[in-house]
Amino acid sequence: GIQVEQSPPDLILQEGANSTLRCNFSDSVNNLQWFHQNPWGQLINLFYIPSGTKQNGRLSATTVATERYSLLYISSSQTTDSGVYFCAVVGMETSGSRLTFGEGTQLTVNP
Amino acid sequence: NAGVTQTPKFRVLKTGQSMTLLCAQDMNHEYMYWYRQDPGMGLRLIHYSVGEGTTAKGEVPDGYNVSRLKKQNFLLGLESAAPSQTSVYFCATERAGTGIIQYFGAGTRLSVL
Repeated sequence: GIQVEQSPPDLILQEGANSTLRCNFSDSVNNLQWFHQNPWGQLINLFYIPSGTKQNGRLSATTVATERYSLLYISSSQTTDSGVYFCAVVGMETSGSRLTFGEGTQLTVNP
Repeated sequence: NAGVTQTPKFRVLKTGQSMTLLCAQDMNHEYMYWYRQDPGMGLRLIHYSVGEGTTAKGEVPDGYNVSRLKKQNFLLGLESAAPSQTSVYFCATERAGTGIIQYFGAGTRLSVL
């Protein structure tokens, strides 16, 4: 099956700093989503971005499908951005929306 | 999350016991999913359903059964719990045709002793 690798595994920032999280995948995809899991465990969908660029406030994401990677940018980070960020994909050979998740990037934003 | 409710939130079982986890949604979404999350790992798909009365296996289905008798409910059963099933279980929903998993439940933390 498709492999998803996220980097870095851990990231510690001071409030106000910017960061870039990376997601590499091993095969062509027709679906890619970014999720945030807060420190209490709640998962929230951030972006559906199989290709191109999207922005939502301080967060933006870019997927270059031909080169098999996606980037999540966090600008002017806040302590509430802390948590785990997951990238999840659906390979071209997979039917439906059965996502394969990466292992996540643990982000800690210190005040 | 107001739209997806998982019960119970916590449970401790002894090896060999059975239990059912309930996922209820009020958004009329056609697709529902059960995932498990183990420490330091991403979510892995156990079973999913694309509509009332239909279910299918995901990546790690062994030891679990599911049922979707009503559109709004998706049940995950453990017939004979094993320590390897200690995990946090998440339910998720998706509106058909969007390809976007939109809402997750708050999770069920299960420990099997």
